[in-house]
Amino acid sequence: DQQVKQNSPSLSVQEGRISILNCDYTNSMFDYFLWYKKYPAEGPTFLISISSIKDKNEDGRFTVFLNKSAKHLSLHIVPSQPGDSAVYFCAASRDNYGQNFVFGPGTRLSVLP
Amino acid sequence: SAVISQKPSRDICQRGTSLTIQCQVDSQVTMMFWYRQQPGQSLTLIATANQGSEATYESGFVIDKFPISRPNLTFSTLTVSNMSPEDSSIYLCSVERPGVSYEQYFGPGTRLTVT
Repeated sequence: DQQVKQNSPSLSVQEGRISILNCDYTNSMFDYFLWYKKYPAEGPTFLISISSIKDKNEDGRFTVFLNKSAKHLSLHIVPSQPGDSAVYFCAASRDNYGQNFVFGPGTRLSVLP
Repeated sequence: SAVISQKPSRDICQRGTSLTIQCQVDSQVTMMFWYRQQPGQSLTLIATANQGSEATYESGFVIDKFPISRPNLTFSTLTVSNMSPEDSSIYLCSVERPGVSYEQYFGPGTRLTVT
């Protein structure tokens, strides 16, 4: 039973355009959400997070939106750059300490020059 | 940020054997985490390792299969015992970002192939 879903295994976007990566979750007890980026042969690196008390968090070119009623979050990257090409994992925290993350399967983003 | 290294970076092992993966952090950390990423799957938490105490395993993972050591605040090992092809995965260790428990730094991973 996948608690965190990323239904698009891959996404291709033209450089300069917006990339939108989606994530859905089933457990209403999740209270903190994160996005990680992973390049080949490297470990995931933290990108951006959002608490369940917010519906938007922005950091430079990256914005995460949270829709609690729909149990849906999305990551927007604008403008997209070729260096953004990576696998993006959505993760949700399932306890008060935020240490036990449940990860989605990932979406491979390709930004085409 | 914490710098995390793992050894080996990759290995090919025969079924029935065991492999010990090492994780070294460049700073002292309280908690270290071990994850597995099976082919085409998401990252799954195996266990949480505190220094000086038994590791806490997630549902579906047991100490006999994945024994963990945590001898000090900068080092941990994960052993994959009696391996089968289903254990072929990338194994990653991670640590909390100091003061920010919701964020973690990950090692580069160990790619294990069991034949």
